[in-house]
Amino acid sequence: AQKVTQAQTEISVVEKEDVTLDCVYETRDTTYYLFWYKQPPSGELVFLIRRNSFDEQNEISGRYSWNFQKSTSSFNFTITASQVVDSAVYFCALSEAGNAGNMLTFGGGTRLMVKP
Amino acid sequence: DTGVSQDPRHKITKRGQNVTFRCDPISEHNRLYWYRQTLGQGPEFLTYFQNEAQLEKSRLLSDRFSAERPKGSFSTLEIQRTEQGDSAMYLCASSRGGDSGNQPQHFGDGTRLSIL
Repeated sequence: AQKVTQAQTEISVVEKEDVTLDCVYETRDTTYYLFWYKQPPSGELVFLIRRNSFDEQNEISGRYSWNFQKSTSSFNFTITASQVVDSAVYFCALSEAGNAGNMLTFGGGTRLMVKP
Repeated sequence: DTGVSQDPRHKITKRGQNVTFRCDPISEHNRLYWYRQTLGQGPEFLTYFQNEAQLEKSRLLSDRFSAERPKGSFSTLEIQRTEQGDSAMYLCASSRGGDSGNQPQHFGDGTRLSIL
């Protein structure tokens, strides 16, 4: 069965610091998809990125970057020069290609607090 | 695109009452998902629809829970004889289906259910 672990339950940083959110996953499928979502205090889950298991290229989008390493089953998320607006709960999620419905298995989330 | 819309945003009810939630997905999305999120946890999959067909249900979905998507557009989730343990945020998501790879799910704001 698939599993996603986000060991950091809460991280507090001061604005402009860089911060990395860890995600470790377990799956038996050779083809799978990894996601990051942001949940601000308003509650809506906002899609940030999707990664396919056969594409290990790292990705950068503005201040956000993602490091996917199959060898360690990790998909970590780094925010560079954090801002107060980055304060939210961040979820890592996994879906398996062998599961026709592509339902998501989420980690427990990491609450990020960025202080001015 | 208009986003995924859920109604109501909040529902407070007494134990033993029935409640029904509605979800309107993004119009061109043929897949619709329901998740439940308790405080401090990641969302957990409940059920999903491909068009009007309910194709998978989690073991979390007890007999008191029923979901429908009668015309393949909006969906309803009903909980009968509510219990304290049903208090949670109920999230709806939608996505495109198909063979073009795993499509990201887009979430609504959720319905927060509180059982007195």
